[in-house]
Amino acid sequence: EAQVTQNPRYLITVTGKKLTVTCSQNMNHEYMSWYRQDPGLGLRQIYYSMNVEVTDKGDVPEGYKVSRKEKRNFPLILESPSPNQTSLYFCASRARGDYTDTQYFGPGTRLTVL
Amino acid sequence: AQKITQTQPGMFVQEKEAVTLDCTYDTSDPSYGLFWYKQPSSGEMIFLIYQGSYDQQNATEGRYSLNFQKARKSANLVISASQLGDSAMYFCAMREGPNNLFFGTGTRLTVIP
Repeated sequence: EAQVTQNPRYLITVTGKKLTVTCSQNMNHEYMSWYRQDPGLGLRQIYYSMNVEVTDKGDVPEGYKVSRKEKRNFPLILESPSPNQTSLYFCASRARGDYTDTQYFGPGTRLTVL
Repeated sequence: AQKITQTQPGMFVQEKEAVTLDCTYDTSDPSYGLFWYKQPSSGEMIFLIYQGSYDQQNATEGRYSLNFQKARKSANLVISASQLGDSAMYFCAMREGPNNLFFGTGTRLTVIP
Protein backbone atom coordinates (compact mmCIF):
# COMPACT_ATOMS: atom_id res chain seq x y z
CA GLU A 1 0.00 0.00 0.00
CA ALA A 2 1.31 3.41 -1.01
CA GLN A 3 1.73 5.50 2.09
CA VAL A 4 3.60 8.07 4.11
CA THR A 5 4.35 6.99 7.67
CA GLN A 6 5.36 9.09 10.64
CA ASN A 7 6.59 8.17 14.09
CA PRO A 8 5.74 8.78 16.79
CA ARG A 9 2.09 9.71 16.37
CA TYR A 10 1.96 11.39 19.77
CA LEU A 11 4.80 12.86 21.80
CA ILE A 12 4.95 14.82 25.03
CA THR A 13 8.35 16.22 25.91
CA VAL A 14 9.99 18.96 27.92
CA THR A 15 11.68 22.16 26.85
CA GLY A 16 15.20 21.65 25.54
CA LYS A 17 15.14 17.88 25.11
CA LYS A 18 16.19 17.03 21.56
CA LEU A 19 13.74 14.96 19.55
CA THR A 20 13.36 13.49 16.08
CA VAL A 21 10.15 12.75 14.22
CA THR A 22 10.68 10.20 11.47
CA CYS A 23 8.98 10.21 8.08
CA SER A 24 9.12 7.55 5.42
CA GLN A 25 7.38 7.08 2.06
CA ASN A 26 7.22 4.01 -0.17
CA MET A 27 6.18 5.71 -3.41
CA ASN A 28 9.66 6.62 -4.65
CA HIS A 29 8.67 10.30 -4.52
CA GLU A 30 11.36 12.89 -5.00
CA TYR A 31 9.70 15.75 -3.11
CA MET A 32 9.09 15.62 0.60
CA SER A 33 7.92 18.33 2.99
CA TRP A 34 7.19 19.02 6.62
CA TYR A 35 4.24 21.14 7.74
CA ARG A 36 2.89 22.29 11.05
CA GLN A 37 -0.79 22.91 11.68
CA ASP A 38 -1.97 25.40 14.26
CA PRO A 39 -5.56 26.47 14.99
CA GLY A 40 -6.68 29.34 12.78
CA LEU A 41 -3.49 29.26 10.72
CA GLY A 42 -3.97 26.26 8.45
CA LEU A 43 -0.85 24.34 7.46
CA ARG A 44 2.48 26.07 7.08
CA GLN A 45 5.54 24.58 5.44
CA ILE A 46 8.61 24.15 7.63
CA TYR A 47 11.15 22.57 5.26
CA TYR A 48 11.08 20.76 1.96
CA SER A 49 13.40 18.53 -0.01
CA MET A 50 13.56 18.17 -3.77
CA ASN A 51 15.80 15.11 -3.68
CA VAL A 52 18.50 13.35 -1.68
CA GLU A 53 20.83 15.85 0.00
CA VAL A 54 18.75 18.79 -1.32
CA THR A 55 16.73 20.64 1.31
CA ASP A 56 15.42 24.18 1.67
CA LYS A 57 13.53 26.34 4.14
CA GLY A 58 9.80 26.82 3.97
CA ASP A 59 7.77 29.53 5.66
CA VAL A 60 8.51 28.69 9.31
CA PRO A 61 11.93 26.96 9.57
CA GLU A 62 13.18 28.50 12.82
CA GLY A 63 13.90 25.90 15.48
CA TYR A 64 13.85 22.93 13.11
CA LYS A 65 16.36 20.89 11.15
CA VAL A 66 15.91 18.23 8.50
CA SER A 67 18.05 15.79 6.57
CA ARG A 68 17.54 13.75 3.41
CA LYS A 69 20.17 11.05 3.24
CA GLU A 70 17.90 8.53 1.55
CA LYS A 71 15.08 9.12 -0.89
CA ARG A 72 12.43 7.48 1.26
CA ASN A 73 13.23 9.15 4.60
CA PHE A 74 12.93 12.77 5.72
CA PRO A 75 13.29 13.18 9.51
CA LEU A 76 12.39 16.38 11.33
CA ILE A 77 14.73 17.33 14.16
CA LEU A 78 14.00 19.70 17.01
CA GLU A 79 17.37 20.36 18.66
CA SER A 80 15.96 22.32 21.60
CA PRO A 81 12.16 22.23 21.58
CA SER A 82 10.18 25.10 23.08
CA PRO A 83 6.49 25.35 24.03
CA ASN A 84 5.70 27.39 20.90
CA GLN A 85 6.57 24.29 18.87
CA THR A 86 3.59 22.48 20.35
CA SER A 87 1.64 21.65 17.21
CA LEU A 88 0.37 18.98 14.84
CA TYR A 89 3.08 18.04 12.35
CA PHE A 90 2.60 16.50 8.95
CA CYS A 91 5.09 14.95 6.60
CA ALA A 92 4.13 14.86 2.93
CA SER A 93 5.52 13.57 -0.32
CA ARG A 94 4.86 14.02 -4.03
CA ALA A 95 6.23 12.68 -7.24
CA ARG A 96 7.21 15.24 -9.82
CA GLY A 97 7.45 18.64 -8.26
CA ASP A 98 5.40 20.68 -10.69
CA TYR A 99 2.24 22.59 -9.90
CA THR A 100 -0.02 19.70 -10.92
CA ASP A 101 1.47 17.37 -8.38
CA THR A 102 -0.83 15.88 -5.73
CA GLN A 103 0.70 15.84 -2.29
CA TYR A 104 0.15 12.86 0.00
CA PHE A 105 0.27 13.34 3.74
CA GLY A 106 1.33 11.16 6.62
CA PRO A 107 -1.04 10.58 9.54
CA GLY A 108 0.38 13.44 11.61
CA THR A 109 2.39 13.71 14.82
CA ARG A 110 0.88 15.58 17.72
CA LEU A 111 3.70 17.17 19.70
CA THR A 112 3.36 18.81 23.11
CA VAL A 113 6.34 20.64 24.58
CA LEU A 114 6.00 21.41 28.28
CA ALA B 1 -1.82 39.26 0.98
CA GLN B 2 -3.27 35.88 1.75
CA LYS B 3 -2.70 33.33 -0.99
CA ILE B 4 -5.79 31.32 -0.05
CA THR B 5 -8.88 32.67 1.68
CA GLN B 6 -11.63 30.57 3.17
CA THR B 7 -14.21 32.91 4.63
CA GLN B 8 -16.49 30.31 6.24
CA PRO B 9 -15.07 29.12 9.57
CA GLY B 10 -18.04 26.79 10.01
CA MET B 11 -20.88 25.46 7.89
CA PHE B 12 -23.91 23.29 8.61
CA VAL B 13 -25.75 21.15 6.09
CA GLN B 14 -28.66 18.77 6.33
CA GLU B 15 -27.90 15.17 5.47
CA LYS B 16 -28.53 14.41 1.76
CA GLU B 17 -28.38 18.10 0.82
CA ALA B 18 -25.62 19.73 -1.23
CA VAL B 19 -23.18 22.23 0.26
CA THR B 20 -20.66 24.66 -1.20
CA LEU B 21 -17.45 25.55 0.60
CA ASP B 22 -15.88 28.78 -0.58
CA CYS B 23 -12.27 29.35 -1.56
CA THR B 24 -10.62 32.31 -3.24
CA TYR B 25 -6.98 32.51 -4.21
CA ASP B 26 -4.43 35.11 -5.14
CA THR B 27 -1.68 34.55 -7.66
CA SER B 28 -0.10 36.24 -10.66
CA ASP B 29 1.43 32.99 -11.90
CA PRO B 30 -0.47 31.64 -14.95
CA SER B 31 0.38 28.06 -13.95
CA TYR B 32 -1.02 26.85 -10.66
CA GLY B 33 -2.87 23.95 -9.11
CA LEU B 34 -5.78 24.05 -6.70
CA PHE B 35 -6.45 21.28 -4.20
CA TRP B 36 -9.02 20.40 -1.59
CA TYR B 37 -8.24 18.26 1.44
CA LYS B 38 -10.49 16.79 4.10
CA GLN B 39 -9.35 16.47 7.70
CA PRO B 40 -11.64 14.32 9.87
CA SER B 41 -11.47 14.45 13.65
CA SER B 42 -8.86 11.69 13.58
CA GLY B 43 -6.45 14.26 12.11
CA GLU B 44 -5.21 12.83 8.83
CA MET B 45 -5.23 14.90 5.65
CA ILE B 46 -7.16 13.26 2.83
CA PHE B 47 -6.80 14.49 -0.74
CA LEU B 48 -10.18 15.08 -2.38
CA ILE B 49 -9.87 16.86 -5.69
CA TYR B 50 -7.50 18.79 -7.95
CA GLN B 51 -7.98 21.54 -10.56
CA GLY B 52 -5.22 22.85 -12.82
CA SER B 53 -5.18 26.45 -13.97
CA TYR B 54 -5.34 25.40 -17.62
CA ASP B 55 -8.10 22.86 -17.18
CA GLN B 56 -11.15 23.87 -19.20
CA GLN B 57 -13.65 21.77 -17.30
CA ASN B 58 -14.47 21.69 -13.63
CA ALA B 59 -12.96 18.72 -11.82
CA THR B 60 -15.24 16.06 -10.38
CA GLU B 61 -14.53 13.10 -8.11
CA GLY B 62 -17.59 11.17 -7.08
CA ARG B 63 -19.73 13.42 -4.88
CA TYR B 64 -17.09 16.17 -4.96
CA SER B 65 -16.87 18.80 -7.66
CA LEU B 66 -14.79 21.93 -7.90
CA ASN B 67 -16.51 25.04 -9.20
CA PHE B 68 -13.57 26.79 -10.85
CA GLN B 69 -14.12 30.42 -11.83
CA LYS B 70 -10.75 31.61 -13.06
CA ALA B 71 -11.64 35.25 -13.66
CA ARG B 72 -13.00 35.55 -10.13
CA LYS B 73 -10.09 33.49 -8.72
CA SER B 74 -12.42 31.18 -6.90
CA ALA B 75 -12.31 27.40 -6.47
CA ASN B 76 -15.34 26.38 -4.45
CA LEU B 77 -15.85 22.78 -3.37
CA VAL B 78 -19.32 21.37 -3.88
CA ILE B 79 -20.31 18.25 -1.97
CA SER B 80 -23.51 16.66 -3.21
CA ALA B 81 -25.80 14.41 -1.16
CA SER B 82 -24.01 15.10 2.14
CA GLN B 83 -23.39 12.20 4.47
CA LEU B 84 -22.70 12.15 8.21
CA GLY B 85 -19.16 11.03 7.42
CA ASP B 86 -18.56 14.29 5.57
CA SER B 87 -18.38 16.14 8.88
CA ALA B 88 -14.77 17.35 9.00
CA MET B 89 -12.45 20.28 8.39
CA TYR B 90 -11.92 21.12 4.74
CA PHE B 91 -8.85 22.90 3.47
CA CYS B 92 -8.33 24.62 0.14
CA ALA B 93 -4.73 24.83 -1.09
CA MET B 94 -2.80 26.21 -4.05
CA ARG B 95 0.57 25.45 -5.54
CA GLU B 96 2.51 27.84 -7.75
CA GLY B 97 5.54 26.28 -9.39
CA PRO B 98 7.35 23.31 -7.86
CA ASN B 99 7.54 24.14 -4.22
CA ASN B 100 5.21 25.47 -1.62
CA LEU B 101 1.61 24.46 -1.16
CA PHE B 102 -0.34 27.33 0.40
CA PHE B 103 -3.26 26.41 2.62
CA GLY B 104 -6.31 28.32 3.72
CA THR B 105 -7.45 28.35 7.34
CA GLY B 106 -10.13 25.76 6.73
CA THR B 107 -13.91 25.37 7.01
CA ARG B 108 -15.48 23.07 9.58
CA LEU B 109 -18.44 21.28 8.03
CA THR B 110 -21.08 19.69 10.22
CA VAL B 111 -23.67 17.42 8.65
CA ILE B 112 -26.93 17.34 10.57
CA PRO B 113 -29.02 14.13 10.55
